[in-house]
Amino acid sequence: DVKVTQSSRYLVKRTGEKVFLECVQDMDHENMFWYRQDPGLGLRLIYFSYDVKMKEKGDIPEGYSVSREKKERFSLILESASTNQTSMYLCASSFSEDEQFFGPGTRLTVL
Amino acid sequence: QKEVEQNSGPLSVPEGAIASLNCTYSDRGSQSFFWYRQYSGKSPELIMSIYSNGDKEDGRFTAQLNKASQYVSLLIRDSQPSDSATYLCAVNGYTGGFKTIFGAGTRLFVKA
Repeated sequence: DVKVTQSSRYLVKRTGEKVFLECVQDMDHENMFWYRQDPGLGLRLIYFSYDVKMKEKGDIPEGYSVSREKKERFSLILESASTNQTSMYLCASSFSEDEQFFGPGTRLTVL
Repeated sequence: QKEVEQNSGPLSVPEGAIASLNCTYSDRGSQSFFWYRQYSGKSPELIMSIYSNGDKEDGRFTAQLNKASQYVSLLIRDSQPSDSATYLCAVNGYTGGFKTIFGAGTRLFVKA
């Protein structure tokens, strides 16, 4: 079974802090994604990566950056957290254009 | 206009009935279509994928695709209370590069 893990299930940070969210997949998938999910807005793509060291902006990249130094790991970075970044963050991976496998999610609260 | 549209619901059906969930999409070049189920507080998980026109059945689930009408649906037969969840339609679009676009989801309640 594909396994996608995320570093934290719940995280509480203060405004202005730098926040790292990490995602690891164990199926050698080339594509990895970061989404945020908010009530009524559905899943919104922040960034995705189709190969090591490659990244593409999604629909809402402002205030975020990413890093993919190894194929299995994709990190989301909030350089200076703000309250409007309080959300559920979901990581996913896929092989080519197939289905995406999601991690359990990180619920981030920024105070 | 949203690229993938779903009725947000909630859709309420009695136990044992057929639940019908619908999704329309705007990119005519789309070739891959997926239905995900998301329980409250959990992450999405794949139920069905469909790539060609017609019906695809898997147990109590049937996905239907009509590319001419840009329409994909999910039927759940013999609905159970455990089917109560939000169902997300996802479409692989190719305009401006490959991209998976998710609908906002339809909430389904199955009443015992």
